[in-house]
Amino acid sequence: GIQVEQSPPDLILQEGANSTLRCNFSDSVNNLQWFHQNPWGQLINLFYIPSGTKQNGRLSATTVATERYSLLYISSSQTTDSGVYFCAVEPGGSEKLVFGKGMKLTVNP
Amino acid sequence: NAGVTQTPKFQVLKTGQSMTLQCAQDMNHNSMYWYRQDPGMGLRLIYYSASEGTTDKGEVPNGYNVSRLNKREFSLRLESAAPSQTSVYFCASRFLNQPQHFGDGTRLSIL
Repeated sequence: GIQVEQSPPDLILQEGANSTLRCNFSDSVNNLQWFHQNPWGQLINLFYIPSGTKQNGRLSATTVATERYSLLYISSSQTTDSGVYFCAVEPGGSEKLVFGKGMKLTVNP
Repeated sequence: NAGVTQTPKFQVLKTGQSMTLQCAQDMNHNSMYWYRQDPGMGLRLIYYSASEGTTDKGEVPNGYNVSRLNKREFSLRLESAAPSQTSVYFCASRFLNQPQHFGDGTRLSIL
C-alpha cells in the first residue's frame, strides 16, 4: 500500500519562529489533507490540498502531486500551534485516507 | 451545528465485554469512517461506509463490526473486547472528494 512519511518527527521552536513540515508519499493520490491534533486530542482540518498552494492566516500549504510531496508552512509560530501535525492522503481509486505518523511541534514562549 | 458527535467520550471495559461506539453527523454527508489511534501513531482505518447500506473493511477490521443505521449514524461494535483494542477511536464523515470531518474521539481502555 501507499507509504506516507512525515519529517521532521519532532520540532521545538521558540515563539515567533517559522517552520516547514514535509510529507512525502509513495504513489499518486486523489487528495491530501493536513490536520492539527491539539493537546486535547481534537483533530482540526487545516488544509484540503490535492495540488497547488493554499493559505490561511499564518499557515500555508503546497502540494506538488507530480513529485509526490506536500509542505506545510507555519510562520510566526505561537504556543497554540503546539500539538501533532498529520498529513493524510487518499490513494488514487480509493476513498480511504492513509495517515502519516505525525510530527510533534512544541512552541515555547 | 454539531458536526460529528461521538458517544461515549470515555469508557473502561473488562476483557471479554462488548460495547458499541456511536457516531452521528448532521452535515448530510454520504461517507462515514471509523479510525483508531494508538500512541505515537497516525490514525488507521477500521471500517468505512460510502453510503447508507454499504460498509467496507479498512486496514485493521479484525475484532470489530459496524452498522450504517441510516445516513446520519454509523456505529462500531466490539463483540469481545481485548486489551489490544485499547485505543482512541475517531469517527469521520464527508462528501465524496471533500475533506473528512472528525469527531472528538472516544477513549477506550480495556483491562
